[in-house]
Amino acid sequence: NAGVTQTPKFQVLKTGQSMTLQCAQDMNHEYMSWYRQDPGMGLRLIHYSVGAGITDQGEVPNGYNVSRSTTEDFPLRLLSAAPSQTSVYFCASNQVGQPQHFGDGTRLSIL
Amino acid sequence: KQEVTQIPAALSVPEGENLVLNCSFTDSAIYNLQWFRQDPGKGLTSLLLIQSSQREQTSGRLNASLDKSSGRSTLYIAASQPGDSATYLCAVRPLGTSYGKLTFGQGTILTVHP
Repeated sequence: NAGVTQTPKFQVLKTGQSMTLQCAQDMNHEYMSWYRQDPGMGLRLIHYSVGAGITDQGEVPNGYNVSRSTTEDFPLRLLSAAPSQTSVYFCASNQVGQPQHFGDGTRLSIL
Repeated sequence: KQEVTQIPAALSVPEGENLVLNCSFTDSAIYNLQWFRQDPGKGLTSLLLIQSSQREQTSGRLNASLDKSSGRSTLYIAASQPGDSATYLCAVRPLGTSYGKLTFGQGTILTVHP
């Protein structure tokens, strides 16, 4: 049972480039979330989904898009990367009333 | 807006000591509170989840308590070991929010030395 899988683990981008961070879970969880973790700021919620076809904004959604076409996958898209988006990104999933399960993160640097 | 604070920011103790990590939150209207552990370069691992109607949860050497009215939670670690060294984070799910939304504290960095 793989849990929550994030790819890639590391990525370096140039300002203005776009990319997609992948997240997949094999636990049939309804809820999925994207967080970013920055020194001194803790983890902040970017976007979340309560089921296939349903997404909503979190605390820091600007510059990011998400979609949820299947229960398993919840990709995060950076449309035009900016240095302020340099961070560690975590995907999480959970079922109703249960703890969130986290992936190992994607470390993203934008030059 | 819900804010979560963890004290201390860092803690260093000798092996075998019992210790307490503190978490406070500004709005007592929560569904639940979770404690996580994060190892360097890794994701978060859930340790304990306390529902708002519960007072405490226990798992092995870990015990978490919740006093919702005062906006406080503590994580008690008994007989600490070097393998307990990690960052410990608490997070709350505010009332009226989705199951996918958590508000995190900034964590306590714990070092247990032999």
